[in-house]
Amino acid sequence: EPEVTQTPSHQVTQMGQEVILRCVPISNHLYFYWYRQILGQKVEFLVSFYNNEISEKSEIFDDQFSVERPDGSNFTLKIRSTKLEDSAMYFCASRPTRGGAAGELFFGEGSRLTVL
Amino acid sequence: AQSVTQPDIHITVSEGASLELRCNYSYGATPYLFWYVQSPGQGLQLLLKYFSGDTLVQGIKGFEAEFKRSQSSFNLRKPSVHWSDAAEYFCAVGLKISNFGNEKLTFGTGTRLTIIP
Repeated sequence: EPEVTQTPSHQVTQMGQEVILRCVPISNHLYFYWYRQILGQKVEFLVSFYNNEISEKSEIFDDQFSVERPDGSNFTLKIRSTKLEDSAMYFCASRPTRGGAAGELFFGEGSRLTVL
Repeated sequence: AQSVTQPDIHITVSEGASLELRCNYSYGATPYLFWYVQSPGQGLQLLLKYFSGDTLVQGIKGFEAEFKRSQSSFNLRKPSVHWSDAAEYFCAVGLKISNFGNEKLTFGTGTRLTIIP
């Protein structure tokens, strides 16, 4: 069964460093998302991406964050200068095209980011 | 703005017993509603979803949920739990954008389910 894969599973970084989290969405999906879950808190929407551009972003997704689909298969989340409060589990998700199961997101297993 | 409330942070149930996890939502229009499960070390897996029609929806792993508009609820149920059901359960509501489908989900804080022998 196709799945969304994320790397790394866990990354530890120093405050102020740049971090890139990688995702390989399901191959025939066209809509991509990043969500995050701070320990003990709810899963929060960060950004959605379609047709090589951001279609919606939350207030959390400030100038320190960026997303990219560099090669048609990977979907990356970059945090330019990490802060302590960026420590969280980051989930990538993808969705089938409009004709598919609207609203059904397929999530990866997450990348845990720890900022020291 | 839409919101989701899961009033139970942690529930403990004996194996074989029935289960009901509560979810209340706040949304101006008819919502898309979802239940996701997160097993330890795993990603979020969709259990079931409600878009319209029959208010009792069946999902995977023997779960079902009932949409009650009058109570703004979408409670998850299972008649007999198994030890493998121990996990974190998240209720979510999606924006209904008719030409695009759900753009994003708003999640509840989750309910951790523990199963005892």
